[in-house]
Amino acid sequence: AQKVTQAQTEISVVEKEDVTLDCVYETRDTTYYLFWYKQPPSGELVFLIRRNSFDEQNEISGRYSWNFQKSTSSFNFTITASQVVDSAVYFCALASGTYKYIFGTGTRLKVLA
Amino acid sequence: GAVVSQHPSRVICKSGTSVKIECRSLDFQATTMFWYRQFPKQSLMLMATSNEGSKATYEQGVEKDKFLINHASLTLSTLTVTSAHPEDSSFYICSPASADKRELFFGSGTQLSVL
Repeated sequence: AQKVTQAQTEISVVEKEDVTLDCVYETRDTTYYLFWYKQPPSGELVFLIRRNSFDEQNEISGRYSWNFQKSTSSFNFTITASQVVDSAVYFCALASGTYKYIFGTGTRLKVLA
Repeated sequence: GAVVSQHPSRVICKSGTSVKIECRSLDFQATTMFWYRQFPKQSLMLMATSNEGSKATYEQGVEKDKFLINHASLTLSTLTVTSAHPEDSSFYICSPASADKRELFFGSGTQLSVL
């Protein structure tokens, strides 16, 4: 069975703080893809990153960074120096096999000024 | 990223009426279309998957006669909510995928409110 767990339902931080959003996944497939999406209040989903199962190299994009560890089946997302505009719901997703995408339940991030 | 056009963005209708939601992929051929539903403060749940020219495959618990999906071309798919009821009120999101399906593109979503 495939599953994505985002244990943090809601996180509140003060602007400029760093924050890490956790994502733990389960799959029996050896080839799979992991994603992070941002959903601002407008509802539209914004693609942030895609990582395939053979690439464990961590990635940094501006204030965003991702830590992929197959040993712990985790794909955590860190925002450095958070800003109010980062306030949104963030979804982690897994795709493999039939390319059916499984989304986590999301983490609502509130960045307070 | 790819451009996906989903309309309408918001619709309010009376109970018992039907509502059609359109999803267009503007700059690539969508061989597959995924339709998701998202209830308030919940995750996206896949409703159905359709391949161009074929009948849609519905997830368990989703009524195929209630949620009619048409994917007649590589750039257009529609979801019709027939005889809508208040419990159908939700945020519906389309997601066209290219042949390799390695990246999802999403429409901007349709907020359906059934009175």
